[in-house]
Amino acid sequence: DVKVTQSSRYLVKRTGEKVFLECVQDMDHENMFWYRQDPGLGLRLIYFSYDVKMKEKGDIPEGYSVSREKKERFSLILESASTNQTSMYLCASPPSSRGAPDTQYFGPGTRLTVL
Amino acid sequence: GESVGLHLPTLSVQEGDNSIINCAYSNSASDYFIWYKQESGKGPQFIIDIRSNMDKRQGQRVTVLLNKTVKHLSLQIAATQPGDSAVYFCAENGSSNTGKLIFGQGTTLQVKP
Repeated sequence: DVKVTQSSRYLVKRTGEKVFLECVQDMDHENMFWYRQDPGLGLRLIYFSYDVKMKEKGDIPEGYSVSREKKERFSLILESASTNQTSMYLCASPPSSRGAPDTQYFGPGTRLTVL
Repeated sequence: GESVGLHLPTLSVQEGDNSIINCAYSNSASDYFIWYKQESGKGPQFIIDIRSNMDKRQGQRVTVLLNKTVKHLSLQIAATQPGDSAVYFCAENGSSNTGKLIFGQGTTLQVKP
């Protein structure tokens, strides 16, 4: 079974804090994705990565950055957290490489609250 | 623009009945479709997928139907159980070759005992 894990299930931070969300997959996948999920808006793509050191902007990258220093780990960084970044954050990874159409396997999610 | 939509926000069914959840997509270039199940407080879970060279695909208690003519996708769940209660949403690969998926909003399935 594909295993995608996220470092925290719940996180509470204050406005202006720097926040790190970690995602790890144990299947040697090349591609990894970060989404946020909000009621009424569905899943929105923040950033994705095809390989180590590579990153691509998704649909809503503003206020976020990412880091992929190792193949299995993809980190989402909120440089200065704001209340409108309160959301459910989901990491996903498909087995196929690059742009091949394939399902994405999701982690359990991190519920982030910014006060 | 591209969009994937679901016809009903909430579907309520009796335990043991069959459920049908619908999805409309707008990008005729999409050739890969997925159904996900998301239980409260959890990440989406892959249920079944289908490629555009197929009209129907069956899994365990689930069937996905694809009608490319009207750009419609459906998920059928046989003998619905309380454990099937969740949000179901579809996804398509769109016209890009980036591996990105376009997700629908989701339909909440409520199973009444």
